[in-house]
Amino acid sequence: GAVVSQHPSWVICKSGTSVKIECRSLDFQATTMFWYRQFPKQSLMLMATSNEGSKATYEQGVEKDKFLINHASLTLSTLTVTSAHPEDSSFYICSASSSNYGYTFGSGTRLTVV
Amino acid sequence: QKEVEQNSGPLSVPEGAIASLNCTYSDRGSQSFFWYRQYSGKSPELIMFIYSNGDKEDGRFTAQLNKASQYVSLLIRDSQPSDSATYLCAVTNFGNEKLTFGTGTRLTIIP
Repeated sequence: GAVVSQHPSWVICKSGTSVKIECRSLDFQATTMFWYRQFPKQSLMLMATSNEGSKATYEQGVEKDKFLINHASLTLSTLTVTSAHPEDSSFYICSASSSNYGYTFGSGTRLTVV
Repeated sequence: QKEVEQNSGPLSVPEGAIASLNCTYSDRGSQSFFWYRQYSGKSPELIMFIYSNGDKEDGRFTAQLNKASQYVSLLIRDSQPSDSATYLCAVTNFGNEKLTFGTGTRLTIIP
């Protein structure tokens, strides 16, 4: 079946630094990548949608200059949290969409900003 | 009104019984409906999806869709302790790939 590899699985960073999260589709081409954020005891909230080779579309209220998304190829998308602050601490999850496999979720990244 | 609503629970069900999870959605243009299971600290796993009115069965799981009532449910038969998790309902609309998630229902199966 389809697998999306997401790294790192957890990261602790200092306030003000940047963190990059990577999602790679291992055995299929992801035409679209979705990035979600999930706070404790809450549901998944869509942050942005990205298509290979084009700019990401951000949901209302999500700062595009803070959450940089790059989807340079059909198998790799990255989310960079710039100048992270404690309120950015959350569980970040990517999901790849393809015509053959539907939606495939990465394993998630637990970000803690101290 | 939230786009996708679920009872947050917790819902407690004895082992071996049927667990019934419900979800309502506000957009009549919704086309595809998904049920995901999420264990604490993990990403969601797809249980099943349904597009058409009626029932769809897969092993111990049955999804039921009623578009007129804007209602989708998930039944889990012969509940097992390993079924204890948060169950997320998700919906997509025609021409839009975005999954909109409900808040999830926390299910606990009591041995």
